[in-house]
Amino acid sequence: GENVEQHPSTLSVQEGDSAVIKCTYSDSASNYFPWYKQELGKRPQLIIDIRSNVGEKKDQRIAVTLNKTAKHFSLHITETQPEDSAVYFCAALSSGGYQKVTFGTGTKLQVIP
Amino acid sequence: KAGVTQTPRYLIKTRGQQVTLSCSPISGHRSVSWYQQTPGQGLQFLFEYFSETQRNKGNFPGRFSGRQFSNSRSEMNVSTLELGDSALYLCASSLDGAQTEAFFGQGTRLTVV
Repeated sequence: GENVEQHPSTLSVQEGDSAVIKCTYSDSASNYFPWYKQELGKRPQLIIDIRSNVGEKKDQRIAVTLNKTAKHFSLHITETQPEDSAVYFCAALSSGGYQKVTFGTGTKLQVIP
Repeated sequence: KAGVTQTPRYLIKTRGQQVTLSCSPISGHRSVSWYQQTPGQGLQFLFEYFSETQRNKGNFPGRFSGRQFSNSRSEMNVSTLELGDSALYLCASSLDGAQTEAFFGQGTRLTVV
């Protein structure tokens, strides 16, 4: 089955700096890669996603890049703010197309004011 | 429109008992997935239902089962509870489960004593 590795597990940055979280996946047939943000005590919420026919996608301060050949994808947050502090999960949708989503182990991001 | 609703929010059970958790998806969503979230293991996929049929199943023992009703509401059942079943159980709904955004409920916090 699909295996998703996520690094780093914790990340501290100064407010205004950039943060990068990296994930690798094992199933070359995976073709949908969502990123979720989970604030303390709250539910995970989708912040951005990318499909395998796209190499990069941006939404304001958030961007995701995908390298299908290397089977890795990354989340980039620019101009970080304290409200970006949360746990971020990457995920990959296994071949077959339906929502058997495999999540990474999460990255706890702390933005220091 | 109303989001994904999970009941109950908190539950305390004794080892050996069984428990049923409920998930009401967003109106119009036909796919419901269930996940177990623990600090050590992250988000683990349990199963996914679509139109009352289980389409995908994760690597959990047979004590974990589920079903979906004609109105897309889903229930998850865990029999013969073990201490290790203590976790946050999240459900997520999406339109069709295939590369569409999944919306999570607030989760049910299950504690087994």
